[in-house]
Amino acid sequence: DTEVTQTPKHLVMGMTNKKSLKCEQHMGHRAMYWYKQKAKKPPELMFVYSYEKLSINESVPSRFSPECPNSSLLNLHLHALQPEDSALYLCASSWRGGTSQTQYFGPGTRLLVL
Amino acid sequence: GQSLEQPSEVTAVEGAIVQINCTYQTSGFYGLSWYQQHDGGAPTFLSYNGLDGLEETGRFSSFLSRSDSYGYLLLQELQMKDSASYFCAVRDPSEGNQGGKLIFGQGTELSVKP
Repeated sequence: DTEVTQTPKHLVMGMTNKKSLKCEQHMGHRAMYWYKQKAKKPPELMFVYSYEKLSINESVPSRFSPECPNSSLLNLHLHALQPEDSALYLCASSWRGGTSQTQYFGPGTRLLVL
Repeated sequence: GQSLEQPSEVTAVEGAIVQINCTYQTSGFYGLSWYQQHDGGAPTFLSYNGLDGLEETGRFSSFLSRSDSYGYLLLQELQMKDSASYFCAVRDPSEGNQGGKLIFGQGTELSVKP
């Protein structure tokens, strides 16, 4: 199984809503990532978990809250988002982060904040 | 800081060969990766060069010259389905082994015409 799955595929939320994005992989990877991608731009790293511990937070606003319940799951909790947060949110995984440049991406959640 | 430069757009015809160049500036270097992303899709890993030379995978090849801080992706026998964005990427050396933070180029949009 070389797949990273993400749910939901699409999400529309208001600025006062709370929602969560979910990501799952069963490749035994111990590094998992959240990226944000705007149209015609490269993915921007938000968070990295290595061995289920948060190892990198790219100064992301606190309205985004990551969680890694176990080595296969990664969540991104969203609260009080702004319209400029509308983007494609990508999850990825890899073998132990520092030694691998091969990341496997999920299909993404397309988020629209109204 | 780290930076990568690649052309923003390339156009070619079916059956042709196209080369997408990438030059990089990093304080440390752990190899160059290439990712493909179709419109609305997720980035997909294509290739990795850790050492100088050519890596070939089917119709795609990737080349690296560390002395020139330069690499390229070569796509042969172009097909319509190769129309996509192509990103070169390097690992951020400042992160050490904390996590696999990738720095992406701005992406090259390849259009393949009939």
